[in-house]
Amino acid sequence: DVKVTQSSRYLVKRTGEKVFLECVQDMDHENMFWYRQDPGLGLRLIYFSYDVKMKEKGDIPEGYSVSREKKERFSLILESASTNQTSMYLCASSRFRVSEQYFGPGTRLTVT
Amino acid sequence: GNSVTQMEGPVTLSEEAFLTINCTYTATGYPSLFWYVQYPGEGLQLLLKATKADDKGSNKGFEATYRKETTSFHLEKGSVQVSDSAVYFCALSPAAGGGADGLTFGKGTHLIIQP
Repeated sequence: DVKVTQSSRYLVKRTGEKVFLECVQDMDHENMFWYRQDPGLGLRLIYFSYDVKMKEKGDIPEGYSVSREKKERFSLILESASTNQTSMYLCASSRFRVSEQYFGPGTRLTVT
Repeated sequence: GNSVTQMEGPVTLSEEAFLTINCTYTATGYPSLFWYVQYPGEGLQLLLKATKADDKGSNKGFEATYRKETTSFHLEKGSVQVSDSAVYFCALSPAAGGGADGLTFGKGTHLIIQP
């Protein structure tokens, strides 16, 4: 079974802090994704990566950056956290660019 | 562009009732279609999928049939249990060359099953 893990289940940060969310997958998948999930808005794609050191903007990249130095690891970075970035963050991976994705358990981030 | 529309709910049913959650989509060509389930406090789990027209995906008593003529992929279960209470997401991935990467999700349907 594919396993996707995320570094924290719950995180509380202060406004202006730099925040790192990490995601690791163990199935040698080429593609990795970061989403945020908010009530009434569903899942929105922030960034994705289809290869090491490659990244593409999703629908809502503003205020975020990503890093993929190794195939199995994809990091989401909030350069200067703001309260409107309080959300559930979900990481996913897939074998192909257009195939089913496998999700991690999510990180619930609160920015105060 | 691609889009997925599903009822948002909450949908409240009694245990052993029949379940239908409607999902319709807009996409070019022949996308692949998925249902995901999210239990409280957890990430999304793939429930079932269908990759071509008239395919039926099934898992854990849930079924959905890919209907190209009505652009639909409705989720059904004959007899729901309290443990089925969760949020259900319909999603599509475009056909090869069909546009943006990744999945397009509906907004999710919150299902509540009462004993």
